[in-house]
Amino acid sequence: NAGVTQTPKFRILKIGQSMTLQCAQDMNHNYMYWYRQDPGMGLKLIYYSVGAGITDKGEVPNGYNVSRSTTEDFPLRLELAAPSQTSVYFCASRNDRTGGFTEAFFGQGTRLTVV
Amino acid sequence: GDSVTQMEGPVTLSEEAFLTINCTYTATGYPSLFWYVQYPGEGLQLLLKATKADDKGSNKGFEATYRKETTSFHLEKGSVQVSDSAVYFCALSSGATNKLIFGTGTLLAVQP
Repeated sequence: NAGVTQTPKFRILKIGQSMTLQCAQDMNHNYMYWYRQDPGMGLKLIYYSVGAGITDKGEVPNGYNVSRSTTEDFPLRLELAAPSQTSVYFCASRNDRTGGFTEAFFGQGTRLTVV
Repeated sequence: GDSVTQMEGPVTLSEEAFLTINCTYTATGYPSLFWYVQYPGEGLQLLLKATKADDKGSNKGFEATYRKETTSFHLEKGSVQVSDSAVYFCALSSGATNKLIFGTGTLLAVQP
């Protein structure tokens, strides 16, 4: 069971570079989320999606973009990397089709450093 | 907007001590409440959950009761072990917003 898979696990970017963090889930979950976790801090929601073709901003969306063309994939794009985007990024998914509030499953994280 | 407030850490305990980590929330409607645990170098895992008032979630000796009157969901364990050392996150999910909102996390360190 793969669950939620994030790639890459580690990345170092130079200021101004761009990159895409990949997230894929094989559980047919409709909801997907991107969070960032700064050292010693909690998780802040960047973007989320309630289904293919539908995305919405979270608490800290500036500097990021997302797309959701399929149920399985939810990539996060950084266009012009800045040192403030140094963080650990977590992708999560859950199934909300039943109307209940089900648990979210998390990927292992991507540790990004911008220098 | 919806939010979760949990006690700041770190919390340092000796093995077999009693644990309480406080969590309170603000939300529209009737949220579901969760406790997640993050072991070093790993992603988050669900520890327990409660979906309505007065529900008690429990797992691995941990418990938390959904208190609507005090908007709280405190995590407790009667006797902690070294292997419980981790960061614990309180979270809520509200149907009104479709978001999953986390607290800042509490680092628990259990010493032998």
